[in-house]
Amino acid sequence: DAGVIQSPRHEVTEMGQEVTLRCKPISGHNSLFWYRQTMMRGLELLIYFNNNVPIDDSGMPEDRFSAKMPNASFSTLKIQPSEPRDSAVYFCASSLEISGGRDTQYFGPGTRLTVL
Amino acid sequence: GNSVTQMEGPVTLSEEAFLTINCTYTATGYPSLFWYVQYPGEGLQLLLKATKADDKGSNKGFEATYRKETTSFHLEKGSVQVSDSAVYFCALRDAGGTSYGKLTFGQGTILTVHP
Repeated sequence: DAGVIQSPRHEVTEMGQEVTLRCKPISGHNSLFWYRQTMMRGLELLIYFNNNVPIDDSGMPEDRFSAKMPNASFSTLKIQPSEPRDSAVYFCASSLEISGGRDTQYFGPGTRLTVL
Repeated sequence: GNSVTQMEGPVTLSEEAFLTINCTYTATGYPSLFWYVQYPGEGLQLLLKATKADDKGSNKGFEATYRKETTSFHLEKGSVQVSDSAVYFCALRDAGGTSYGKLTFGQGTILTVHP
């Protein structure tokens, strides 16, 4: 299994530009999670989906952030317009959730975003 | 709501020393408990897990026992190696199906092991 795939691995952009981060979950998994990690705030859950439907987006910091999951094998996290304080490592994770299940979340390698 | 509290780091040890990283939690019901490890420049990897009280998770010489009476899941290793240097995260998830696998993470503990 290829694991969770994220692209790009590194992104450097200028303030005000649109940034799109991409994630391909593990095949067969039905839950997908987007996290942000910074030194100051640690690991934060931004949003998660189950069966392609957003379940909880309360962690999304602002309207500048949006996430979509058009199908079971692809999700995007978009920041528009980007700001320097958005600089962080963004992780995608996926899991197979069965009712009452106790399955593991598998993380991708992350996208390191730098906004100048 | 659910919460996880880890001992503050960083933790610095010499090779072959004994390691303990404390983790306590607050949750309703019977959550599953996890330890994840993050090596420099990488994503989080599952290290071990326990799904019910008194279960012991173990992997790569690390162990943690699910203690419901003390709401704890402390990570231990008898003899650490330089290669164990990483950030360690304790996490829990609700047992019910409505959480869709959402994890609550602790703040992470940085471990540095010197030769």
